[in-house]
This record gives sequence, structure tokens and C-alpha cells, in this order.
Amino acid sequence: SQQGEEDPQALSIQEGENATMNCSYKTSINNLQWYRQNSGRGLVHLILIRSNEREKHSGRLRVTLDTSKKSSSLLITASRAADTASYFCATVPYGNKLVFGAGTILRVKS
Amino acid sequence: DGGITQSPKYLFRKEGQNVTLSCEQNLNHDAMYWYRQDPGQGLRLIYYSQIVNDFQKGDIAEGYSVSREKKESFPLTVTSAQKNPTAFYLCASGETSGSKTDTQYFGPGTRLTV
Repeated sequence: SQQGEEDPQALSIQEGENATMNCSYKTSINNLQWYRQNSGRGLVHLILIRSNEREKHSGRLRVTLDTSKKSSSLLITASRAADTASYFCATVPYGNKLVFGAGTILRVKS
Repeated sequence: DGGITQSPKYLFRKEGQNVTLSCEQNLNHDAMYWYRQDPGQGLRLIYYSQIVNDFQKGDIAEGYSVSREKKESFPLTVTSAQKNPTAFYLCASGETSGSKTDTQYFGPGTRLTV
């Protein structure tokens, strides 16, 4: 069952531009996480935001969470070619499992 | 990928065969997970284990089996009953605190082709 849905499905930008990806979900959550996946590789955890938090930063990453709208956004500032990857949001309903969305494919052109 | 290894990286299965995918972690995590990823899609949970000698079915457990005899190891067997096994398989581990799941750490994956 997929709870998170990312938008857009694909995004192509120039190096140096900002990239914004959105995630919507359906049920109440304990926390929401963002992961990156380079082609043919495993996922790498980027950032976790808890249900009582509204915004979180990590380096060039900024994540917001709006529990009233059941949505989150991931902003990557000053993008680099190395940021080219698929990005997934994963929600944690009140339980022990992550529920992943289908992902956003980001391509950063140099 | 640090701390979690999966083998083999590529696996080819003939129809009617069972195959076993290995997953080992040295992160001392109690919980381990198996996911399946199909092209252009997100991850779907196959099985998970929160403690040694215990595991639960995920969303798509049919045609798969697991064991958790050691904390470090969580092998996945793809049986001949799984009719469409071609996919990318990812193993993960993580800490759990009561009912909360925090960060999961993923292995590099095994690509299975039939």
C-alpha cells in the first residue's frame, strides 16, 4: 500500500537552481522521512521530520511538514550534478513500518 | 550502504527454482526489512523482523519466505510460487523504539532476473 505520493514524477533543472519536491499522504503519521536513491543502488536516508515539527534543515536540504494538509516538501538549494537521483518520501504511520511513495526523479544538468 | 551487505549483486533464476538472497548487518539493529522495487516505482514491503526468531508479513509476502535465526542476518528466499520475481530487492535495518520507526539503513540491493 502506497501512502505517500510525490510530485512531480520527474524534474529537470540546471546546476545551481533550486529543486522542490512535494509529498502528500493519507493517514496520520509519527514521522516522515526523505531518502535518495542513485541509479541501481540502495537508498540513503536524508532527513527525518517528526509530526510535531514544521521545518527542518540539513546542509542544502530544507524539509517542511504540514500535518493539516498531510503534505511535505523537500527543497534542495544550489543543486549540483551529483544531486541527480530519485527521491522518495516515506511516512511512518503509528507503527513500525515505512510506507514509500513512487518517488521523484531529479536530473541536474551541468 | 554502510553496515549492510547484500549478496549476490545480480542473480538469475530459472523457472521452478527457489533462490535465497543474503542480507547481513553489523549495526546491531534489532529490526530488519525486505523490500521489492519494480522499475519506476517505490518500495513495497515483503517481510520484516523486529527481533530474532520473529518476523511478520508485509504487503506482498506471497511467494517469499524469510528466517531470522541471528540478529545480524535476515535471508530472503524467493520461491517458485512467486510468479513474477524479476525485480530489485533491497534489505534494510533500523532501530525501533516501542511503536516508533526511525531511520532505516539500506543495503546495495540484489537484482533478480528470471
